[in-house]
Amino acid sequence: DAGVIQSPRHEVTEMGQEVTLRCKPISGHNSLFWYRQTMMRGLELLIYFNNNVPIDDSGMPEDRFSAKMPNASFSTLKIQPSEPRDSAVYFCASSFHSSSYNEQFFGPGTRLTVL
Amino acid sequence: ELKVEQNPLFLSMQEGKNYTIYCNYSTTSDRLYWYRQDPGKSLESLFVLLSNGAVKQEGRLMASLDTKARLSTLHITAAVHDLSATYFCAVDLSFGNEKLTFGTGTRLTIIP
Repeated sequence: DAGVIQSPRHEVTEMGQEVTLRCKPISGHNSLFWYRQTMMRGLELLIYFNNNVPIDDSGMPEDRFSAKMPNASFSTLKIQPSEPRDSAVYFCASSFHSSSYNEQFFGPGTRLTVL
Repeated sequence: ELKVEQNPLFLSMQEGKNYTIYCNYSTTSDRLYWYRQDPGKSLESLFVLLSNGAVKQEGRLMASLDTKARLSTLHITAAVHDLSATYFCAVDLSFGNEKLTFGTGTRLTIIP
């Protein structure tokens, strides 16, 4: 089975440009999570969806960040305009939420560099 | 607010030695997960612990959960270089909340 798929794997852009990161969760999973990882701040949860509905976006840094999940098999995280401090690795993870447990499976990540 | 603390943050140990990584959390939970992250790679699920006293083992790694103490341990036996990675624990508050709260991670380096 394919795991979580993210694209692109690497993105280099200039400050002020729009960046769109994409994620395809594991088929059958009903929860999707966007994380950001940096050396300084560690692993941060940005937003998560359950059944395509955003549940908690309290981790989204500011209005420049937005995320959508138009259907069960696709999600995007957009940064507009991008800034150098957005440089990080962005992970998407998915899980099948049940009353038993919520093991999350991570994608390979997108390494974003904003110059 | 749930807090998850790991210690040590950094661990350098020789091959063949045993050591333990600790994960403490601040709120009652009986669901805890361990992940491994190799440098430049993603997080890989290692263990899922779902009850007090749960113990899981895979090769040289063994994880356990004590929900009364709010403590999980990841024990490394006779370490080998391939185990060098960063290890994260994560806690699940359960009951409708899908979020996992991750610890800060323990960077483990095994020295030949």
